[in-house]
Amino acid sequence: ETGVTQTPRHLVMGMTNKKSLKCEQHLGHNAMYWYKQSAKKPLELMFVYSLEERVENNSVPSRFSPECPNSSHLFLHLHTLQPEDSALYLCASSQDAVTNTGELFFGEGSRLTVL
Amino acid sequence: DQQVKQNSPSLSVQEGRISILNCDYTNSMFDYFLWYKKYPAEGPTFLISISSIKDKNEDGRFTVFLNKSAKHLSLHIVPSQPGDSAVYFCAASVSHTGNQFYFGTGTSLTVIP
Repeated sequence: ETGVTQTPRHLVMGMTNKKSLKCEQHLGHNAMYWYKQSAKKPLELMFVYSLEERVENNSVPSRFSPECPNSSHLFLHLHTLQPEDSALYLCASSQDAVTNTGELFFGEGSRLTVL
Repeated sequence: DQQVKQNSPSLSVQEGRISILNCDYTNSMFDYFLWYKKYPAEGPTFLISISSIKDKNEDGRFTVFLNKSAKHLSLHIVPSQPGDSAVYFCAASVSHTGNQFYFGTGTSLTVIP
């Protein structure tokens, strides 16, 4: 198993659909993250979970709803998205979410297209 | 406002020569910097990091230089290999304050055989 796995790799959804992105880490890390990568923009931090508790929500619209049932799994629930939400969504994990001196381990990303 | 900037979207280098990728930042509180490499259809992978107490960190063919007064860091790859062709992101953080890494927009490096 690779360190951080994301499913699905590609997702096309209409604006009224409800879907979820899943992330799983096999590294024994305590922190998990959702990042958004839009074309020609830097990676944007969306959410951070530390020991299953949300510690950061970077002004993300409520149509994105994260869930972290345990330290190995992270979900991003999607509801009534807009076409401008089309992007690559990257999950990452790190040993801890406090020191900010460890590296992030990224998954391969979920490419989302909203029609 | 972008706190980490990579002003060169792309760079082409001949195999065997040096690749120099640049990154500028605006927040003087940043004290930890990383470089990530990303191949198409893969997630970014960590390459090398540097703390602000150093001005250079070397790992094999990869060296990162930090110029705090200029708020500038660079990644040197010597010698460049075709397998180094990828998008390189720099990132910065203020250590021990939480979870926020700030990323640049990336530079696409092509190493020509």
